[in-house]
Amino acid sequence: DGGITQSPKYLFRKEGQNVTLSCEQNLNHDAMYWYRQDPGQGLRLIYYSQIVNDFQKGDIAEGYSVSREKKESFPLTVTSAQKNPTAFYLCASHRRESPEAFFGQGTRLTVV
Amino acid sequence: EDQVTQSPEALRLQEGESSSLNCSYTVSGLRGLFWYRQDPGKGPEFLFTLYSAGEEKEKERLKATLTKKESFLHITAPKPEDSATYLCAVQGGGSNYKLTFGKGTLLTVNP
Repeated sequence: DGGITQSPKYLFRKEGQNVTLSCEQNLNHDAMYWYRQDPGQGLRLIYYSQIVNDFQKGDIAEGYSVSREKKESFPLTVTSAQKNPTAFYLCASHRRESPEAFFGQGTRLTVV
Repeated sequence: EDQVTQSPEALRLQEGESSSLNCSYTVSGLRGLFWYRQDPGKGPEFLFTLYSAGEEKEKERLKATLTKKESFLHITAPKPEDSATYLCAVQGGGSNYKLTFGKGTLLTVNP
């Protein structure tokens, strides 16, 4: 079955640690996105990539990094520079010629 | 800067009681307006895309409409399984296909 897979579903991070969230899609979509969702707020764009080996900062990129070495994969690293990383992280993708974005099931990151 | 405002923040209905959710937006060159449904702890599920004023789309008990300033999601005779948060998003005319989301409306349908 085609879809977007995010892993892990739950992730715990200690203060000062970097953690990497995985996002894989087998939909042959060109564009991939990372959003952050906090209670009472809309989804906010962290990074996006429209082609392999190219990506751009979104509205809240500070403290995050990404890579796009393969079309299918767009991992997000939450670095120790991100001061408030506890949130629900969502990965999305779409085809270049179609604007409808489809989402993965999310990763809930908690700082302990 | 694109902006999306959804109202109400929360809505509680009795089963069978029809109502509407509102999404007001400002965007530079609307490429599309999107409705998603999100269940607790899950990723948003795509419902509709609307491209131009006057357009309407339906799916089961849901009907989405679009004007130049707002969109409505009409829910006819809702059932408890329609309970979820409904998200509205717009995509402007820039090159990045970025979605700007509203904060959502939490819909609860009581049996």
